[in-house]
Amino acid sequence: DTGVSQDPRHKITKRGQNVTFRCDPISEHNRLYWYRQTLGQGPEFLTYFQNEAQLEKSRLLSDRFSAERPKGSFSTLEIQRTEQGDSAMYLCASSLGTSGRYSYNEQFFGPGTRLTVL
Amino acid sequence: GENVEQHPSTLSVQEGDSAVIKCTYSDSASNYFPWYKQELGKGPQLIIDIRSNVGEKKDQRIAVTLNKTAKHFSLHITETQPEDSAVYFCAAITGANNLFFGTGTRLTVIP
Repeated sequence: DTGVSQDPRHKITKRGQNVTFRCDPISEHNRLYWYRQTLGQGPEFLTYFQNEAQLEKSRLLSDRFSAERPKGSFSTLEIQRTEQGDSAMYLCASSLGTSGRYSYNEQFFGPGTRLTVL
Repeated sequence: GENVEQHPSTLSVQEGDSAVIKCTYSDSASNYFPWYKQELGKGPQLIIDIRSNVGEKKDQRIAVTLNKTAKHFSLHITETQPEDSAVYFCAAITGANNLFFGTGTRLTVIP
């Protein structure tokens, strides 16, 4: 399977615990994005990486959230001291980004990690 | 930032009929407009997209139109089939490269 993969698919945790999610993008895609989706809404942008550099963070990304992409391949999203309001689907997407003079905007999404905070 | 509005929120059609979903955007700098289909428990799947230098694009039963002046873009599905039933999202990208999504349209195709 050469698509975007995410792990775990489901996570149930108690309020106050830390959780970490992993995303493996499509091979050779140099851009990686994290989005959050709550029930009945469209995905909302959280942050994105160009290779290993984190280039943009949404105001939705509070200081309890941290994302890394240490080697420019897979990425992790950690939420510290989880709150019930963090319950959502966390989606990862990747795109080819810029190649030469062309910019490839197409973002391909993984299946998501559904987080439930009790 | 960009604001994308999507209508209708729900749409029911008879199998074989056409379905149209409409979106508007606010930022005239937006230059790329994808459409995603999302089935229950899955991530969004890119089904078609259009760039700001094109007015219309078609792929088999699916077409997208863009009116830059009015800041409107629409998804057209012809000859609908039950497997087209899903939630559809429009989105727009500005130069920042992050997608701004609409609130979704739940399409039900009645056999």
